[in-house]
Amino acid sequence: EAGVAQSPRYKIIEKRQSVAFWCNPISGHATLYWYQQILGQGPKLLIQFQNNGVVDDSQLPKDRFSAERLKGVDSTLKIQPAKLEDSAVYLCASRAPLDNTDTQYFGPGTRLTVL
Amino acid sequence: DAKTTQPPSMDCAEGRAANLPCNHSTISGNEYVYWYRQIHSQGPQYIIHGLKNNETNEMASLIITEDRKSSTLILPHATLRDTAVYYCIPEQGAGNMLTFGGGTRLMVKP
Repeated sequence: EAGVAQSPRYKIIEKRQSVAFWCNPISGHATLYWYQQILGQGPKLLIQFQNNGVVDDSQLPKDRFSAERLKGVDSTLKIQPAKLEDSAVYLCASRAPLDNTDTQYFGPGTRLTVL
Repeated sequence: DAKTTQPPSMDCAEGRAANLPCNHSTISGNEYVYWYRQIHSQGPQYIIHGLKNNETNEMASLIITEDRKSSTLILPHATLRDTAVYYCIPEQGAGNMLTFGGGTRLMVKP
């Protein structure tokens, strides 16, 4: 079974530019998560989708971050405009539809550097 | 939400058992404890979870105290590939969300 795919793996931009990250979850996984992991810290949840609907986006900085999962499969996370403090690894995770546990499967992440 | 306390770092000799403690004294009676690990430059990986009874799988064993205020993750024969940050995560209600703390950085040494 293929794991969670993310692209790009690395991205370097200048502040005030825009950037987008893509995630393809494990086939059939209805729940999809985006996390932000700043160097030296644990991942922090940004947004949770169930199919194409948002379950929780309370920690998403909505003035500059947006995310969508239009067809309930893959997802895109966008930052516009980027700030220096957005430098982090952005992780995508998914969970199986009939799994009521907190077992999530993570992708390798996208490392963003904002100069 | 339950809070956790983990030592920031630990060392373990290759081939020996690694015992990683976690204090979660505010956990509720029906909240599971999850353990994940994150190897350098990879995403977190699920290891094991438990409620009251001790649990074992192919990766590790989880010992939960009777009062459920603490737990210990045991890697019975640590290898160099077990070098990672290990996160102890109490369940957060029914939202299926993970709240990661700082974790324990385990260094397995030859």
